[in-house]
Amino acid sequence: AQSVAQPEDQVNVAEGNPLTVKCTYSVSGNPYLFWYVQYPNRGLQFLLKYITGDNLVKGSYGFEAEFNKSQTSFHLKKPSALVSDSALYFCAVRAITGGGNKLTFGTGTQLKVEL
Amino acid sequence: GAGVSQSPSNKVTEKGKDVELRCDPISGHTALYWYRQSLGQGLEFLIYFQGNSAPDKSGLPSDRFSAERTGGSVSTLTIQRTQQEDSAVYLCASSPDRTAFYGYTFGSGTRLTVV
Repeated sequence: AQSVAQPEDQVNVAEGNPLTVKCTYSVSGNPYLFWYVQYPNRGLQFLLKYITGDNLVKGSYGFEAEFNKSQTSFHLKKPSALVSDSALYFCAVRAITGGGNKLTFGTGTQLKVEL
Repeated sequence: GAGVSQSPSNKVTEKGKDVELRCDPISGHTALYWYRQSLGQGLEFLIYFQGNSAPDKSGLPSDRFSAERTGGSVSTLTIQRTQQEDSAVYLCASSPDRTAFYGYTFGSGTRLTVV
């Protein structure tokens, strides 16, 4: 079975400060890993993904994530947060082999960026 | 179309009534997924269609839930004899292939409220 844990329901950060949203995963074998963002009353938007290659992945809106195989983590980061980054963030995983051809999502982390 | 389209965007129904939710995926996307997002919960997988293959129904919570995909395109999720616990946002997503290599493109969702 595959699973994702997002240990923080909410993360608060001041605008201009760096932000980190944590994600750990569990799969058999190698993973595909994704981050999505959801703004109020909207569907989920793709931010970035890790498939293979460099452990540091860069995505939309200045976000990046680091794949750490030994810690089974895929934390989302941004060097300087903006108020407009405030949204609900979801991490997702599927095993490259097996996994039932579907993504498993975490419970989401609400990011609040304040002035 | 340019994106995944879901209708209606909001639906209020009385307990015990049947509802139909519609999803129109991106043209050419062979994979279509339904997820449910309840308050405070992550995304719960419901059902997955891939081309002409038999759908993966493993996430449907009860036999009151069913879905079909006609002509490999539009999908309808039907909930019979709705219950209050069915209240949630129902999200549809599509993908170009079965591997999720490209991730998903999500619709804006249908917010279902059972009163």
